[in-house]
Amino acid sequence: NAGVMQNPRHLVRRRGQEARLRCSPMKGHSHVYWYRQLPEEGLKFMVYLQKENIIDESGMPKERFSAEFPKEGPSILRIQQVVRGDSAAYFCASSPSLVAGDNEQFFGPGTRLTVL
Amino acid sequence: AQKVTQAQTEISVVEKEDVTLDCVYETRDTTYYLFWYKQPPSGELVFLIRRNSFDEQNEISGRYSWNFQKSTSSFNFTITASQVVDSAVYFCAPKGVTDYKLSFGAGTTVTVRA
Repeated sequence: NAGVMQNPRHLVRRRGQEARLRCSPMKGHSHVYWYRQLPEEGLKFMVYLQKENIIDESGMPKERFSAEFPKEGPSILRIQQVVRGDSAAYFCASSPSLVAGDNEQFFGPGTRLTVL
Repeated sequence: AQKVTQAQTEISVVEKEDVTLDCVYETRDTTYYLFWYKQPPSGELVFLIRRNSFDEQNEISGRYSWNFQKSTSSFNFTITASQVVDSAVYFCAPKGVTDYKLSFGAGTTVTVRA
């Protein structure tokens, strides 16, 4: 059973370009979470999605950032007009369900975004 | 929402020493879960342990053990007989029973020297 997959692993963009980060959850998982890790910091929650629905995007910056999890295909985190402050590691996690609330979140290897 | 304090920024030990990582959390939830994750230099996040707030029994799993004290809101994690491969950043993360997001602490960097 393959784990959570993220690609690309490393992404370099120039200021003003767009960054698209992809996440394929574990097989059978329908819940996806995106976290951001700025240098020397812990992970911060960004957004929680289920298939075709954004459940909570309270951690997303108000502008330039968007996320989707279509019926078919991976979840996409999109950053428009990137700035140097967007440089970070972006982690995706997935879980099978919210039953009991103790579900473990399985993390992908992360995408390291560098904005030049 | 949960708040986490990992007061130790860095810990350096010699191989075979024990390492205890402190975690203090704040929560308004009466039922919650506590997680420890490890982030080795390669960057991925590795799940280590999960604990339920209604079960204060402390356990040992291999070289890992944890001490959960609900009265002091602490969830400390110990690595026994540390090895160089244990070198990583360790994150404590509580989650309320109705929450879906993990609240990570700032992490403690553990360096194990040969």
